[in-house]
Order: sequence, then C-alpha cells, then structure tokens
Amino acid sequence: DIQMTQSPSSLSASVGDRVTITCRASQGIRNYLAWYQQKPGKVPKLLIQAASTLQSGVPSRFSGSGSGTDFTLTISSLQPEDVATYYCQKCDSAPRTFGQGTKVEIK
Amino acid sequence: EVQLVESGGGLIQPGGSLRLSCAASGFTVSTNYMSWVRQAPGKGLEWVSVLYSGGSTYYADSVKGRFTISRDNSKNTLYLQMNSLRAEDTAIYYCARYPKYDYGMDVWGQGTTVTVS
Repeated sequence: DIQMTQSPSSLSASVGDRVTITCRASQGIRNYLAWYQQKPGKVPKLLIQAASTLQSGVPSRFSGSGSGTDFTLTISSLQPEDVATYYCQKCDSAPRTFGQGTKVEIK
Repeated sequence: EVQLVESGGGLIQPGGSLRLSCAASGFTVSTNYMSWVRQAPGKGLEWVSVLYSGGSTYYADSVKGRFTISRDNSKNTLYLQMNSLRAEDTAIYYCARYPKYDYGMDVWGQGTTVTVS
C-alpha cells in the first residue's frame, strides 16, 4: 500500500507569514491528492482536490501544487482563522490513506 | 441542502457489534462514492472503507474482515456494520462523499462516537 507522509508534524508561524506543508507519497499518485482542514472540535473540510484545484469558497491564500510523489499546501499569508490541523489524502485507488496531519498554530 | 447525518454510535463492550447509519439528503448515495473515516481521540484521520457507485467495496487492513460497508438505496442511507469490536476501534466515525472517483471528500457528516470499553 502507498504511504502518505506529511511534514512538519506541527508548526508555529506569525500572522501574515507564508506557510508550506509538504506531503510525500511512497509511490506516484499523479495528481490524485486532496487537502483537508480540520479546526479544533470540527468536521474536516475539503480545501483542495486534484492537487491544485481550490474548492469553492476557500480563500485564495490557500494553494496546492505537485504531482507524482511530492505535494505542497501553501498558505500565502497566515490568518488567525487558519489555526487547524491539515491532512493530505491520496484519492486514487483504495486504500485512500491520509497523511498523519500537520498542526498549524499562531506564534 | 446536501447533508449527511450519522447515527448508531455508543458504548459497546469488546467483542460486540454495532451498526452505524449515515442518512443522506440532497443527493443520491447510490450514484456517488461513499466512505467512512474515523478519528481516535487526539489522533489523526484514518480512512476506514469506501463503497463505489458500482458496488465495489474496500477496507483498511485494520478493519478488514470485521467491518462491512453497505447502502440501502430505498432509504438513501450508508451503513457500517462493525463486528468483533476492539478498544482500538474507539473513535468518532464520519461518513463522507466523493463526488467522483478521484476527487476528495466534499461532504461530511457531523460524526458519531463509538466507544469500545
């Protein structure tokens, strides 16, 4: 099975900072990757699918890139409401594994 | 409004069984790809199972042989039958929809809590 590895596991940044989270697949998954945001105590929310397609209503400060095995989620200017844990997920064949998550906090 | 509502969670002894339900509204379960995802207390998201529109089913190794995903088209409802429950199955269980095969999950339920103790 393909493993999904995120880094870092947590980060602390200042408001306005550019934040980058990486997700690496143990084998190529083309662009079949989604990113989710889960705020504390809330249900996960789909941010990006197909590696770079922003879901409707998601702020444009979020962007995704990558293909094959290496992917990134970027928040161009971190806002207080972005405090959350972010997960990547492979979206091709089963098992549709998640990364272990990256917790983003405000410094 | 597109919505998923889970039910059926609760406290169950190890070795017991439980069936979770996920009632959909605003779309048709049978024409979408539907999944169960769980989250143990303080842990990350774990993909559990998927039911494709064509009827194929797949499971995480951790639940294979113990859990069964199914749907009732007449009730527009997804199910997860959980047998031989273990303490490590304790989690919030979410159902979610993939609108297409290679998409992410765009609609999630609020979750139902299963405690095995």
